[in-house]
Amino acid sequence: DQQVKQNSPSLSVQEGRISILNCDYTNSMFDYFLWYKKYPAEGPTFLISISSIKDKNEDGRFTVFLNKSAKHLSLHIVPSQPGDSAVYFCAASGKGGSEKLVFGKGMKLTVNP
Amino acid sequence: DGGITQSPKYLFRKEGQNVTLSCEQNLNHDAMYWYRQDPGQGLRLIYYSQIVNDFQKGDIAEGYSVSREKKESFPLTVTSAQKNPTAFYLCASSIGDRDTQYFGPGTRLTVL
Repeated sequence: DQQVKQNSPSLSVQEGRISILNCDYTNSMFDYFLWYKKYPAEGPTFLISISSIKDKNEDGRFTVFLNKSAKHLSLHIVPSQPGDSAVYFCAASGKGGSEKLVFGKGMKLTVNP
Repeated sequence: DGGITQSPKYLFRKEGQNVTLSCEQNLNHDAMYWYRQDPGQGLRLIYYSQIVNDFQKGDIAEGYSVSREKKESFPLTVTSAQKNPTAFYLCASSIGDRDTQYFGPGTRLTVL
């Protein structure tokens, strides 16, 4: 049973526009969420995280929104740049992050010049 | 220059042979992890270690073994018992088990 779901396998946007990547989770015990970015044949790079005590966290062009009642989080990238083209993984864990991370299957973002 | 290193980048082995993947970190992190990524799949946890001389099985530990004799090193052995060993293997570390995990560059293992 997949506890972290990234239902759209890919997204294509124009440079300068907003990219919105979505993630749903089923385990109500998850209270810490992260986004990772991954280029082909490389390890994932940590982007941004959010604790369940918040509903928004912002870092430069990246903002993560958390809707606990809907068990949904999203990553907004504004403005999108061609270098943002990569696979993005959503991950979640419980007990303040002390439990093991559970990853979604990833979403491929393509930003067209 | 601190970081996590994995070697080699690409590894080829014959079916039935054991192979050991290296993971080293100089970040002074206590916790280390091994994940496997298959095409179209997320990362799945193989083994993790919260402290030296201690490790726990993850979701897909069968056919794998690890050791944690030093804080800096967490090698993964893919044994002949692993039925489908061809995959991209990722090592990660974190300050503690409540902290953000940082990943190495990965090793692509191909079993012929």
